[in-house]
Amino acid sequence: QLQLQESGPGLVKPSETLSLTCTVSGGSITSSRHYWGWIRQPPGKGLEWIGSMYYSGSTYYNSSLRGRVTLSVDTSKNQFSLKVSSVIAADTAVYYCVRHPYNDEVPYYFDYWGQGTLATVSS
Amino acid sequence: DIVMTQSPDSLAVSLGERATINCESSQSLLYSSNNKNYLAWYQQKPRQPPKLLIYWASTRESGAPDRFSGSGSGTDFTLTISSLQAEDVAVYYCQQYYNIPYTFGQGTKLEIK
Repeated sequence: QLQLQESGPGLVKPSETLSLTCTVSGGSITSSRHYWGWIRQPPGKGLEWIGSMYYSGSTYYNSSLRGRVTLSVDTSKNQFSLKVSSVIAADTAVYYCVRHPYNDEVPYYFDYWGQGTLATVSS
Repeated sequence: DIVMTQSPDSLAVSLGERATINCESSQSLLYSSNNKNYLAWYQQKPRQPPKLLIYWASTRESGAPDRFSGSGSGTDFTLTISSLQAEDVAVYYCQQYYNIPYTFGQGTKLEIK
């Protein structure tokens, strides 16, 4: 059974960089036909897709985060990571790592989700 | 960006009754080359991550109870729960994957009447 688990500091200071890692177990991150991504949910609010990438490097980002996001993959550890720079209070959210299948170069719906980790931006 | 609008924002239904949630997209999600609607539905219970229920607008995910069904095409979609069970209390989201950025509806909170 595929499992995704987020990890990272729960508290980040304003203007600093939020860094999260997702560890994949029960399957390989180099699996063909799957992208790996991040979605966030501010407390009590809805869902926002952040970005997704294929293990070989193809990446899609949500332009709403204005270039503050970087995704990366470590295939040796079966992990992928998210960095959000210059964070502000509005970046406070539960961050979920997700998997989605793809075909014809287009990623689809999100079929596996991690449990989520709360990242709070505060001084 | 494609805007997804759900209605209603909240809904209270009696146990055993039908629940219907609507989702409207600001542009068609029907891809003409394969005749598929790029629309998914998720269920999020309190303190849990969302769970995929339906994809391609009407295909039930493995393990999802058959009382859940999806319908619609183009810009108008519906999630129906045929006979509400207590464990169906949750927030439901629709999501489009026709265009990047992927976008979600604002959510519909389903409660027991």
